[in-house]
Amino acid sequence: NAGVMQNPRHLVRRRGQEARLRCSPMKGHSHVYWYRQLPEEGLKFMVYLQKENIIDESGMPKERFSAEFPKEGPSILRIQQVVRGDSAAYFCASSPSLAGTGGETQYFGPGTRLLVL
Amino acid sequence: QQQVKQSPQSLIVQKGGISIINCAYENTAFDYFPWYQQFPGKGPALLIAIRPDVSEKKEGRFTISFNKSAKQFSLHIMDSQPGDSATYFCAASNSDYKLSFGAGTTVTVRA
Repeated sequence: NAGVMQNPRHLVRRRGQEARLRCSPMKGHSHVYWYRQLPEEGLKFMVYLQKENIIDESGMPKERFSAEFPKEGPSILRIQQVVRGDSAAYFCASSPSLAGTGGETQYFGPGTRLLVL
Repeated sequence: QQQVKQSPQSLIVQKGGISIINCAYENTAFDYFPWYQQFPGKGPALLIAIRPDVSEKKEGRFTISFNKSAKQFSLHIMDSQPGDSATYFCAASNSDYKLSFGAGTTVTVRA
Protein backbone atom coordinates (compact mmCIF):
# COMPACT_ATOMS: atom_id res chain seq x y z
CA ASN A 1 0.00 0.00 0.00
CA ALA A 2 1.63 3.19 -1.16
CA GLY A 3 1.89 5.92 1.43
CA VAL A 4 0.62 9.47 1.17
CA MET A 5 2.01 11.04 -1.97
CA GLN A 6 2.69 14.69 -2.50
CA ASN A 7 3.88 16.50 -5.58
CA PRO A 8 5.79 18.34 -6.51
CA ARG A 9 8.40 17.72 -3.84
CA HIS A 10 10.01 21.07 -4.55
CA LEU A 11 8.35 24.11 -6.10
CA VAL A 12 9.88 27.46 -6.94
CA ARG A 13 7.65 30.41 -7.71
CA ARG A 14 8.18 34.12 -8.20
CA ARG A 15 6.21 36.62 -6.19
CA GLY A 16 2.70 37.02 -7.58
CA GLN A 17 2.51 33.60 -9.19
CA GLU A 18 0.22 30.78 -8.16
CA ALA A 19 1.32 27.61 -6.39
CA ARG A 20 -0.66 24.37 -6.59
CA LEU A 21 0.30 21.56 -4.25
CA ARG A 22 -1.17 18.11 -4.69
CA CYS A 23 -1.79 15.37 -2.16
CA SER A 24 -2.92 11.82 -2.89
CA PRO A 25 -4.03 10.13 0.35
CA MET A 26 -3.36 6.52 1.15
CA LYS A 27 -5.73 4.08 -0.51
CA GLY A 28 -8.98 3.87 1.40
CA HIS A 29 -8.39 7.15 3.24
CA SER A 30 -11.08 9.79 2.85
CA HIS A 31 -9.85 12.33 5.42
CA VAL A 32 -7.09 14.77 4.48
CA TYR A 33 -5.26 17.31 6.62
CA TRP A 34 -2.82 20.01 5.50
CA TYR A 35 -0.04 21.42 7.67
CA ARG A 36 2.54 24.14 7.06
CA GLN A 37 6.03 24.24 8.53
CA LEU A 38 7.78 27.59 8.51
CA PRO A 39 11.58 27.66 8.97
CA GLU A 40 12.64 26.88 12.55
CA GLU A 41 9.03 26.16 13.57
CA GLY A 42 6.86 23.09 14.04
CA LEU A 43 4.12 21.96 11.70
CA LYS A 44 0.92 24.01 12.03
CA PHE A 45 -2.54 22.77 11.14
CA MET A 46 -4.15 24.51 8.19
CA VAL A 47 -7.23 22.65 6.99
CA TYR A 48 -9.16 19.38 7.28
CA LEU A 49 -11.12 18.05 4.34
CA GLN A 50 -13.25 15.08 3.46
CA LYS A 51 -14.27 14.20 -0.07
CA GLU A 52 -15.96 17.29 -1.57
CA ASN A 53 -16.18 19.01 1.81
CA ILE A 54 -14.06 21.45 3.79
CA ILE A 55 -14.65 20.47 7.42
CA ASP A 56 -12.30 22.83 9.27
CA GLU A 57 -10.23 25.60 7.71
CA SER A 58 -9.50 27.45 10.94
CA GLY A 59 -5.74 27.35 10.32
CA MET A 60 -5.86 28.72 6.79
CA PRO A 61 -4.85 32.32 6.10
CA LYS A 62 -7.95 34.30 5.23
CA GLU A 63 -6.72 35.42 1.85
CA ARG A 64 -4.95 33.78 -1.12
CA PHE A 65 -5.13 30.25 0.28
CA SER A 66 -7.73 27.66 -0.67
CA ALA A 67 -8.04 23.89 -0.53
CA GLU A 68 -10.20 21.27 -2.13
CA PHE A 69 -10.61 17.51 -2.12
CA PRO A 70 -12.71 16.57 -5.13
CA LYS A 71 -14.66 13.37 -5.55
CA GLU A 72 -12.03 12.15 -7.96
CA GLY A 73 -8.35 13.01 -7.85
CA PRO A 74 -5.95 14.42 -5.31
CA SER A 75 -6.47 17.11 -2.72
CA ILE A 76 -5.16 20.49 -3.88
CA LEU A 77 -3.76 23.31 -1.77
CA ARG A 78 -3.73 26.47 -3.84
CA ILE A 79 -1.85 29.63 -3.01
CA GLN A 80 -2.59 32.63 -5.19
CA GLN A 81 -0.25 35.60 -5.64
CA VAL A 82 2.49 34.03 -3.55
CA VAL A 83 4.70 36.18 -1.33
CA ARG A 84 8.09 35.41 0.17
CA GLY A 85 6.46 34.65 3.54
CA ASP A 86 4.70 31.68 1.93
CA SER A 87 8.04 29.89 1.61
CA ALA A 88 7.66 26.81 3.77
CA ALA A 89 7.24 23.06 3.75
CA TYR A 90 3.64 21.97 3.25
CA PHE A 91 2.68 18.55 4.57
CA CYS A 92 -0.42 16.56 3.85
CA ALA A 93 -1.72 13.77 6.08
CA SER A 94 -4.56 11.32 5.67
CA SER A 95 -6.57 8.91 7.76
CA PRO A 96 -9.26 6.32 7.00
CA SER A 97 -11.64 7.90 9.50
CA LEU A 98 -11.60 10.93 11.77
CA ALA A 99 -8.23 11.30 13.48
CA GLY A 100 -8.03 12.17 17.13
CA THR A 101 -7.21 10.87 20.56
CA GLY A 102 -9.48 7.88 20.31
CA GLY A 103 -9.44 7.69 16.56
CA GLU A 104 -7.13 7.08 13.71
CA THR A 105 -3.52 8.11 13.34
CA GLN A 106 -2.65 10.68 10.71
CA TYR A 107 -0.24 9.36 8.10
CA PHE A 108 1.97 12.08 6.64
CA GLY A 109 3.33 12.58 3.17
CA PRO A 110 6.93 13.68 2.44
CA GLY A 111 5.92 17.31 1.99
CA THR A 112 6.30 19.97 -0.70
CA ARG A 113 9.03 22.56 -0.18
CA LEU A 114 7.84 25.87 -1.63
CA LEU A 115 10.36 28.60 -2.29
CA VAL A 116 9.13 32.02 -3.35
CA LEU A 117 11.72 34.21 -5.00
CA GLN B 1 2.48 31.73 19.12
CA GLN B 2 4.32 28.44 19.61
CA GLN B 3 2.01 26.20 21.63
CA VAL B 4 4.62 23.48 22.07
CA LYS B 5 8.26 24.35 22.73
CA GLN B 6 10.87 21.69 22.00
CA SER B 7 14.53 21.44 22.93
CA PRO B 8 17.29 20.93 22.05
CA GLN B 9 17.27 21.88 18.39
CA SER B 10 19.85 19.16 17.72
CA LEU B 11 21.88 16.63 19.60
CA ILE B 12 24.68 14.17 18.94
CA VAL B 13 24.94 10.95 20.88
CA GLN B 14 27.28 7.99 20.73
CA LYS B 15 25.96 4.58 19.78
CA GLY B 16 24.56 2.94 22.88
CA GLY B 17 23.94 6.26 24.62
CA ILE B 18 20.70 7.88 25.72
CA SER B 19 19.02 10.64 23.71
CA ILE B 20 16.68 12.95 25.63
CA ILE B 21 14.33 15.45 24.00
CA ASN B 22 12.15 17.78 26.04
CA CYS B 23 8.88 19.54 25.27
CA ALA B 24 6.75 22.03 27.18
CA TYR B 25 3.22 23.18 26.46
CA GLU B 26 0.94 25.97 27.56
CA ASN B 27 -2.58 24.78 26.78
CA THR B 28 -3.89 22.80 29.74
CA ALA B 29 -6.67 21.42 27.53
CA PHE B 30 -4.18 19.29 25.61
CA ASP B 31 -4.79 15.63 26.37
CA TYR B 32 -2.89 13.72 23.69
CA PHE B 33 0.89 13.89 23.29
CA PRO B 34 2.41 11.99 20.35
CA TRP B 35 5.98 11.87 19.15
CA TYR B 36 6.80 11.69 15.46
CA GLN B 37 9.98 10.49 13.78
CA GLN B 38 10.99 11.87 10.41
CA PHE B 39 13.75 10.60 8.12
CA PRO B 40 15.14 12.81 5.33
CA GLY B 41 12.76 12.98 2.38
CA LYS B 42 9.95 11.28 4.26
CA GLY B 43 6.92 12.51 6.15
CA PRO B 44 6.66 12.40 9.95
CA ALA B 45 5.61 8.96 11.25
CA LEU B 46 3.97 8.29 14.62
CA LEU B 47 6.50 6.78 17.02
CA ILE B 48 4.79 6.68 20.41
CA ALA B 49 2.05 8.63 22.19
CA ILE B 50 0.86 9.24 25.74
CA ARG B 51 -2.21 10.59 27.49
CA PRO B 52 -1.97 12.59 30.75
CA ASP B 53 -3.50 9.85 32.91
CA VAL B 54 -0.14 8.06 32.94
CA SER B 55 3.29 9.43 33.81
CA GLU B 56 5.35 7.12 31.63
CA LYS B 57 4.95 4.92 28.58
CA LYS B 58 7.57 2.61 27.15
CA GLU B 59 7.73 0.91 23.77
CA GLY B 60 10.95 -0.93 23.13
CA ARG B 61 13.85 1.52 23.43
CA PHE B 62 11.55 4.57 23.37
CA THR B 63 10.05 6.01 26.57
CA ILE B 64 7.82 9.03 27.08
CA SER B 65 7.87 10.70 30.49
CA PHE B 66 4.99 13.05 31.30
CA ASN B 67 4.79 15.68 34.06
CA LYS B 68 1.31 17.16 34.08
CA SER B 69 1.94 19.72 36.84
CA ALA B 70 4.99 21.10 35.05
CA LYS B 71 3.29 20.83 31.64
CA GLN B 72 6.31 19.03 30.26
CA PHE B 73 6.95 15.75 28.52
CA SER B 74 10.07 14.12 27.17
CA LEU B 75 11.25 11.36 24.89
CA HIS B 76 14.10 9.08 25.94
CA ILE B 77 15.80 6.90 23.36
CA MET B 78 17.75 4.20 25.14
CA ASP B 79 20.70 2.35 23.59
CA SER B 80 20.67 4.78 20.66
CA GLN B 81 21.51 3.24 17.28
CA PRO B 82 22.70 4.85 14.02
CA GLY B 83 19.32 3.95 12.52
CA ASP B 84 17.69 6.27 15.08
CA SER B 85 19.33 9.27 13.39
CA ALA B 86 16.33 11.37 12.37
CA THR B 87 14.33 14.46 13.27
CA TYR B 88 11.92 13.99 16.16
CA PHE B 89 8.82 16.13 16.68
CA CYS B 90 6.73 16.29 19.80
CA ALA B 91 3.09 17.27 19.36
CA ALA B 92 -0.05 17.86 21.36
CA SER B 93 -3.75 18.04 20.68
CA ASN B 94 -7.04 18.57 22.45
CA SER B 95 -8.72 15.27 21.63
CA ASP B 96 -8.99 16.09 17.99
CA TYR B 97 -7.12 16.12 14.75
CA LYS B 98 -5.42 19.51 15.17
CA LEU B 99 -1.91 18.57 16.15
CA SER B 100 0.35 21.35 17.48
CA PHE B 101 3.97 20.44 16.78
CA GLY B 102 7.24 21.41 18.36
CA ALA B 103 9.99 22.75 16.10
CA GLY B 104 11.81 19.42 15.95
CA THR B 105 15.08 17.95 17.20
CA THR B 106 17.66 16.51 14.85
CA VAL B 107 19.30 13.49 16.46
CA THR B 108 22.61 12.16 15.14
CA VAL B 109 23.88 8.86 16.51
CA ARG B 110 27.61 8.35 15.96
CA ALA B 111 28.82 4.80 15.50
